[in-house]
Amino acid sequence: QKEVEQDPGPLSVPEGAIVSLNCTYSNSAFQYFMWYRQYSRKGPELLMYTYSSGNKEDGRFTAQVDKSSKYISLFIRDSQPSDSATYLCAMSAGGTNAGKSTFGDGTTLTVKP
Amino acid sequence: DAGVTQSPTHLIKTRGQQVTLRCSPKSGHDTVSWYQQALGQGPQFIFQYYEEEERQRGNFPDRFSGHQFPNYSSELNVNALLLGDSALYLCASSPALWGNYGYTFGSGTRLTVV
Repeated sequence: QKEVEQDPGPLSVPEGAIVSLNCTYSNSAFQYFMWYRQYSRKGPELLMYTYSSGNKEDGRFTAQVDKSSKYISLFIRDSQPSDSATYLCAMSAGGTNAGKSTFGDGTTLTVKP
Repeated sequence: DAGVTQSPTHLIKTRGQQVTLRCSPKSGHDTVSWYQQALGQGPQFIFQYYEEEERQRGNFPDRFSGHQFPNYSSELNVNALLLGDSALYLCASSPALWGNYGYTFGSGTRLTVV
């Protein structure tokens, strides 16, 4: 079983919809949580990072972390066709493992005009 | 401001050969990490370099080795290539000790082993 599980989708929504993307994890040492967006034939682009539990908002994006449930989410409000991409969650434990991130396999999102 | 640059963008090699991939980190970043991304999967951590030393290593065999130069650029070397080494190789950079807060990734080198 993988340390980080992510529903691969694909997920298809109409423009303007609220999108919810989720990951679960098994390693309780994870403290840092990140979301990346990856367009086809490109490298991942960091969208948001969160330390420990709680919420963080940046424009149309909101990241939530529930460490007690080992569950993280990314919400996209007012989704746009340009949001169509693969979304990757990533986590790291910090300390001696600082910088080593464990990724999910990504969820493919299509936003239809 | 240039981001992370990787070369070459595509490469085709034969089984058993050796390959070297190159990376220049984003300006102001001194830590470089390498990831392997197979088709349909998330990136997997290979190793991280800081101050010209390998600081951390993922679950990859010794056929994978690297180097960091004084200007912070880095190379990834893979010996005795296997078909299973075909993947997108991503270089990521960050300021020292900030890797936990996310990386800046390059667009990758697509390696095909035939």
